[in-house]
Amino acid sequence: GAVVSQHPSRVICKSGTSVKIECRSLDFQATTMFWYRQFPKQSLMLMATSNEGSKATYEQGVEKDKFLINHASLTLSTLTVTSAHPEDSSFYICSARDWQGASNNEKLFFGSGTQLSVL
Amino acid sequence: SQQGEEDPQALSIQEGENATMNCSYKTSINNLQWYRQNSGRGLVHLILIRSNEREKHSGRLRVTLDTSKKSSSLLITASRAADTASYFCATDSGGGKLIFGQGTELSVKP
Repeated sequence: GAVVSQHPSRVICKSGTSVKIECRSLDFQATTMFWYRQFPKQSLMLMATSNEGSKATYEQGVEKDKFLINHASLTLSTLTVTSAHPEDSSFYICSARDWQGASNNEKLFFGSGTQLSVL
Repeated sequence: SQQGEEDPQALSIQEGENATMNCSYKTSINNLQWYRQNSGRGLVHLILIRSNEREKHSGRLRVTLDTSKKSSSLLITASRAADTASYFCATDSGGGKLIFGQGTELSVKP
């Protein structure tokens, strides 16, 4: 199946710094990618939909100036957590669909996630 | 916003037993999907059932969908210790994005 690569897998940073997380579709083109956030033992909360070549669509309550999303190519979307604070500590996961793939392509392929810890 | 509610939140069974997880949702859907997540990892797609389907099988997995009750169930038969993970349902109501349920944490004891 399609592969989504997410880096880094784990990052520890100081409060006030910015952290960039990369999400790449390795063997397919993804015009749309999705960014989720997950707290321990909780569900995935959709943060935003990343659209190649245009602005991201943010879910209600998600600060777009806080969580900057850039989708500059068909295989790469980045999420930058700006001026990170301890409450931003969470597990961030990206995902994408392979629309050019086989049938049943409504499913999402997920990256392996990034555990962000802000001290 | 989270649409799905799953029960039970946690389930502990012995190897060889069957595990059943339920998911309820609120809005109309195009399809419903089930995913598995190992601790600290991304999610892996298990099975998709469309709104006009009532039951679907894939290996040891059986999924049912009742659109009149807005509910779905995932049955894992003859469970194995390796099935230990969190399981999430996710609804697709169009527009491309999936909304995930709260998840069921399954523990299969050898």
